[in-house]
Amino acid sequence: DAGITQSPRHKVTETGTPVTLRCHQTENHRYMYWYRQDPGHGLRLIHYSYGVKDTDKGEVSDGYSVSRSKTEDFLLTLESATSSQTSVYFCAISETQGPEAFFGQGTRLTVV
Amino acid sequence: SQQGEEDPQALSIQEGENATMNCSYKTSINNLQWYRQNSGRGLVHLILIRSNEREKHSGRLRVTLDTSKKSSSLLITASRAADTASYFCATDVEGAQKLVFGQGTRLTINP
Repeated sequence: DAGITQSPRHKVTETGTPVTLRCHQTENHRYMYWYRQDPGHGLRLIHYSYGVKDTDKGEVSDGYSVSRSKTEDFLLTLESATSSQTSVYFCAISETQGPEAFFGQGTRLTVV
Repeated sequence: SQQGEEDPQALSIQEGENATMNCSYKTSINNLQWYRQNSGRGLVHLILIRSNEREKHSGRLRVTLDTSKKSSSLLITASRAADTASYFCATDVEGAQKLVFGQGTRLTINP
């Protein structure tokens, strides 16, 4: 695997609590992405970043925020977790816009 | 809505047979990529085809792209049990800075 680490790998949290997922890369790639994967929906883009402090929304950004204060770290925050945010979350990186993306191993989040 | 739509959603074939999966998309693209996901793992890049290319090969993989029909196909020849996985197409949308994935095809290779 490319140098991408997601943490935690598994988390169970209660409705209404804040949750932060971390994606750390050692590849110095410019682009970083957060996706969620749900049965019947494939992968859907939540937010992405094209540089330090440069982020934009994806197709399912409501209820999520992100931050990128360093090239290597991209944080995804659920301000107040809901059961609909139970999902598997994947971080991905790419060197430039377009060419292949490298994925982390995923974080399984359960909101009870 | 999803940019890419794979067809079929699920495919089950015998080992040694060829597997064909299709992907349709909606807008202009710079390139189209195919990824594989084994159960419980992250996605792994398989092959990329640019918008000015019509066909590309990589080992047992053959990808075609028809930009007039906004569609692509992935052919896996001489399938093996290890090819059992979900396969996703992803489009690099022209003018955007992101990859958009389809819902995937779940491929099962029976021994």
